[in-house]
Amino acid sequence: AQSVTQPDIHITVSEGASLELRCNYSYGATPYLFWYVQSPGQGLQLLLKYFSGDTLVQGIKGFEAEFKRSQSSFNLRKPSVHWSDAAEYFCAVGASDMRFGAGTRLTVKP
Amino acid sequence: NAGVTQTPKFRVLKTGQSMTLLCAQDMNHEYMYWYRQDPGMGLRLIHYSVGEGTTAKGEVPDGYNVSRLKKQNFLLGLESAAPSQTSVYFCASKKRDRDRSYNSPLHFGNGTRLTVT
Repeated sequence: AQSVTQPDIHITVSEGASLELRCNYSYGATPYLFWYVQSPGQGLQLLLKYFSGDTLVQGIKGFEAEFKRSQSSFNLRKPSVHWSDAAEYFCAVGASDMRFGAGTRLTVKP
Repeated sequence: NAGVTQTPKFRVLKTGQSMTLLCAQDMNHEYMYWYRQDPGMGLRLIHYSVGEGTTAKGEVPDGYNVSRLKKQNFLLGLESAAPSQTSVYFCASKKRDRDRSYNSPLHFGNGTRLTVT
């Protein structure tokens, strides 16, 4: 069965610093991979997705993610974090049944 | 365009009571999902549906039942609520891609906060 691991429960970065959120997955076939963001009290919004093609994908709000099949990873990155990026981030994998990781909460220091 | 609408937004139940959560989408999506979100555990899939009249179990289906009698609605039922079912419940939907891929993203409702005392 597919599964997603987000090793970091909580990350704190300074505004303007770079960010990398880790995601490892287990999936029997070529995975459909997604990153979502959740602001407090809200539903989830899609940041980016990957299925095939270029392994570096660009998303909204300046985020990007790189698919590495050899490492079963799909890490999310941003070169320069803004205070408004503070939120919870979820990695997801699946086809008709989508499974989510436990999430990483991002705090941004001024 | 309402997207995915969940009702109610909040509910408090006593142990043993029953209730139904309603999810409605107006995007003509084939797939619909129910997740629960608990601190430190992310979103866990309860049940899902790949089309009208079909349902399937997810990761944590015990204690819940679902029905998809109409394409636009997906109901989640709790027959006998337990404190362990205190959670925030999210409904989501997505379209079936014409190329039979699963590339389309999920569209989420705003959640239902359920407390069972």
